[in-house]
Amino acid sequence: DGGITQSPKYLFRKEGQNVTLSCEQNLNHDAMYWYRQDPGQGLRLIYYSQIVNDFQKGDIAEGYSVSREKKESFPLTVTSAQKNPTAFYLCASSINRDRVGNQPQHFGDGTRLSIL
Amino acid sequence: AQTVTQSQPEMSVQEAETVTLSCTYDTSESDYYLFWYKQPPSRQMILVIRQEAYKQQNATENRFSVNFQKAAKSFSLKISDSQLGDAAMYFCAYRVNNDMRFGAGTRLTVKP
Repeated sequence: DGGITQSPKYLFRKEGQNVTLSCEQNLNHDAMYWYRQDPGQGLRLIYYSQIVNDFQKGDIAEGYSVSREKKESFPLTVTSAQKNPTAFYLCASSINRDRVGNQPQHFGDGTRLSIL
Repeated sequence: AQTVTQSQPEMSVQEAETVTLSCTYDTSESDYYLFWYKQPPSRQMILVIRQEAYKQQNATENRFSVNFQKAAKSFSLKISDSQLGDAAMYFCAYRVNNDMRFGAGTRLTVKP
């Protein structure tokens, strides 16, 4: 079945440590996204990528980094510079808007990151 | 930057009744797309309905329909015959090119 896989489901970070959240999709989607969701709040865009080897900052990119070496994969690294990383992280993908504009995003099941 | 505003943090509806969730957005673009997503306690994001800005006709999906007012930049969601399974967070979203932004959400409670 096609879909988006995020791993791990739960992740714990120690102070000063970098951690990487995995996001893999087999939907052949061009665009991929990372969102952060805090309790009782909406989704805030961290980074997005429209094609391989290219990505753009969203509204809250500071303290995060991404790479897009393969179409299927868009890992997110939460660096030690992110002082308040505890949140729920959602990865999404979609067909490139230039091809089909009204296609929605498909989401993974999320990763909950906590500080030890 | 484009913004999406959901002015109702929480809403409540009696089972079998109708409820409307509000959403406004701010943009200078003329070509865009609007979506409503549902997020139940499982945290999955589920697409409820979508609307193309160039279409005047309001989208409908079974018990879910929208009232799209382009000039007012308003995109409300109406849920008819509410069911217990409709209880969730509802997010309005706006897409221009490949940039997609979400509102803060409305938590819908359905009373039996």
